[in-house]
Amino acid sequence: DSGVTQTPKHLITATGQRVTLRCSPRSGDLSVYWYQQSLDQGLQFLIQYYNGEERAKGNILERFSAQQFPDLHSELNLSSLELGDSALYFCASSVAPLNEQFFGPGTRLTVL
Amino acid sequence: GESVGLHLPTLSVQEGDNSIINCAYSNSASDYFIWYKQESGKGPQFIIDIRSNMDKRQGQRVTVLLNKTVKHLSLQIAATQPGDSAVYFCAESQGAQKLVFGQGTRLTINP
Repeated sequence: DSGVTQTPKHLITATGQRVTLRCSPRSGDLSVYWYQQSLDQGLQFLIQYYNGEERAKGNILERFSAQQFPDLHSELNLSSLELGDSALYFCASSVAPLNEQFFGPGTRLTVL
Repeated sequence: GESVGLHLPTLSVQEGDNSIINCAYSNSASDYFIWYKQESGKGPQFIIDIRSNMDKRQGQRVTVLLNKTVKHLSLQIAATQPGDSAVYFCAESQGAQKLVFGQGTRLTINP
């Protein structure tokens, strides 16, 4: 158990819908990272927050957004969902940027 | 450009043998590299990391080698056990905090 929690574990929804994935980092970690893992793309970095502020951005679509709250938990919002958005979404946390990242168990999103 | 890739998508070894998983990177400015292990149905798990001012780092049964001249990274697992079966990813940090992951190598242990 990495100490990073993600909810929900599984999510099934329809195209065009909007979902919110939630992540609680390890106690004491200030950085939160979001990744998408699909069969054909591997692990893709989406976005990083540090102590509530966006720190780095990767291949995140405009339909996706995220934020980190004062209590350091983070949410990833996915809207206007498409079939291709079906993937595993992982959250990771670290004490500080460039430190070892601890990954959560992931949320499996299925868009039908 | 930025890319991290793996030489082999799959690797099968006999239990007890040593495993070597390779990774090539293209950004000579990368200064931090990590190996992750991902078991089926789980999130990636940190194995070992290395910074660019080192060329070798050892952990428990694992060793990471970094060759900056040819931009090559390898993970050596000694005395491979059934529990080592997983997909192994190398990742590269490029200046900022973004990690770029390779596609992964599936390691299978034969009894």
